[in-house]
Amino acid sequence: DGGITQSPKYLFRKEGQNVTLSCEQNLNHDAMYWYRQDPGQGLRLIYYSQIVNDFQKGDIAEGYSVSREKKESFPLTVTSAQKNPTAFYLCASSMRGSDEQFFGPGTRLTVL
Amino acid sequence: GENVEQHPSTLSVQEGDSAVIKCTYSDSASNYFPWYKQELGKGPQLIIDIRSNVGEKKDQRIAVTLNKTAKHFSLHITETQPEDSAVYFCAASKASGGSYIPTFGRGTSLIVHP
Repeated sequence: DGGITQSPKYLFRKEGQNVTLSCEQNLNHDAMYWYRQDPGQGLRLIYYSQIVNDFQKGDIAEGYSVSREKKESFPLTVTSAQKNPTAFYLCASSMRGSDEQFFGPGTRLTVL
Repeated sequence: GENVEQHPSTLSVQEGDSAVIKCTYSDSASNYFPWYKQELGKGPQLIIDIRSNVGEKKDQRIAVTLNKTAKHFSLHITETQPEDSAVYFCAASKASGGSYIPTFGRGTSLIVHP
């Protein structure tokens, strides 16, 4: 999985609770991305960050928040405002200006 | 925005046969087309990519073709093996503010029967 780690692999939360998913990379990549994957669907972009302390909304940012305080870390918080949070979440990174993305192993979040 | 259609959603072949997955895109400005393989419970892995200035690219049993005029590109896998069984995603992307943000197809579940 190319130097990108996501933890934990499986996560269970009760409805109404916020939860933070971890993504760390040691590839010295500038850009990092969060995607959501649902069965039978492609990857949908939640947020991305090109440099530290800067990030942009993707196609489905509502109900999510991110921070980019360090180059190697890009945590994603799934808030209680996200109406259907149960999904497989994938983090990716790339060199700034490069079109090739490297993906982490994913975190499967189940909200009960 | 970009729209990527991918077909078929499921493809079942016998070991040794060829497999072809097709994608179409809508934005003529897209210029980078990667293909990813995702095994069960894992993240996608880039297996091959092609840029808009190239019509075909090969890497051992895998090849990708691109028709810019028709806005479609295809993945070809020859001599399929059971370990090729996975979900394959195509994507189309272009530069946007210094980053390349891909739009993904919905995926093709390839099943190779021994």
